[in-house]
Amino acid sequence: DAGVTQSPTHLIKTRGQHVTLRCSPISGHKSVSWYQQVLGQGPQFIFQYYEKEERGRGNFPDRFSARQFPNYSSELNVNALLLGDSALYLCASSLETGTSHGYTFGSGTRLTVV
Amino acid sequence: GDSVTQMEGPVTLSEEAFLTINCTYTATGYPSLFWYVQYPGEGLQLLLKATKADDKGSNKGFEATYRKETTSFHLEKGSVQVSDSAVYFCALKTGGFKTIFGAGTRLFVKA
Repeated sequence: DAGVTQSPTHLIKTRGQHVTLRCSPISGHKSVSWYQQVLGQGPQFIFQYYEKEERGRGNFPDRFSARQFPNYSSELNVNALLLGDSALYLCASSLETGTSHGYTFGSGTRLTVV
Repeated sequence: GDSVTQMEGPVTLSEEAFLTINCTYTATGYPSLFWYVQYPGEGLQLLLKATKADDKGSNKGFEATYRKETTSFHLEKGSVQVSDSAVYFCALKTGGFKTIFGAGTRLFVKA
């Protein structure tokens, strides 16, 4: 079975541009979460979606948005890119949203803003 | 708010040495606790978890025990290998929708 797949793997954008990152969860997983990992730090929570509805949002500006599709895949959109948005963006899927469920992560999208 | 504190790295060990990576947490409610591992250029992989006090999670020779009295979840392995070189993240999850990660501890194992 395929794991969590993310595309693209690397991306270079200019300040002020917009970017869309994509994620396909493990088959059967209904929950997708997005995390931002800045170099040398732990991942920071951005969004969680479950059954196409937003279940939680982290402390990120409104420039960040996401959605989940009927096939449970997801997109993360970032508008008006800033240099500080340069990071590894990780998608994580899980079967359910309960406290005891861990994640399966994708390999991430490395975004560089210049 | 909820938080996770890990020992700073890097930790450098010789092959077959004993490993401990300390992790303490602050949380309201009753969190589940996790250890994730990240190899270079990859995403995080779930290593082990514990969902209630005194539970012991274990996988691939790694162990960690959920200690509510000391709010700790230290990662241990009796004999490390070069292939264990990676970054290890301690994490907690409460409320079902957000996982809070520590800053990570880099482990180097020398042959």
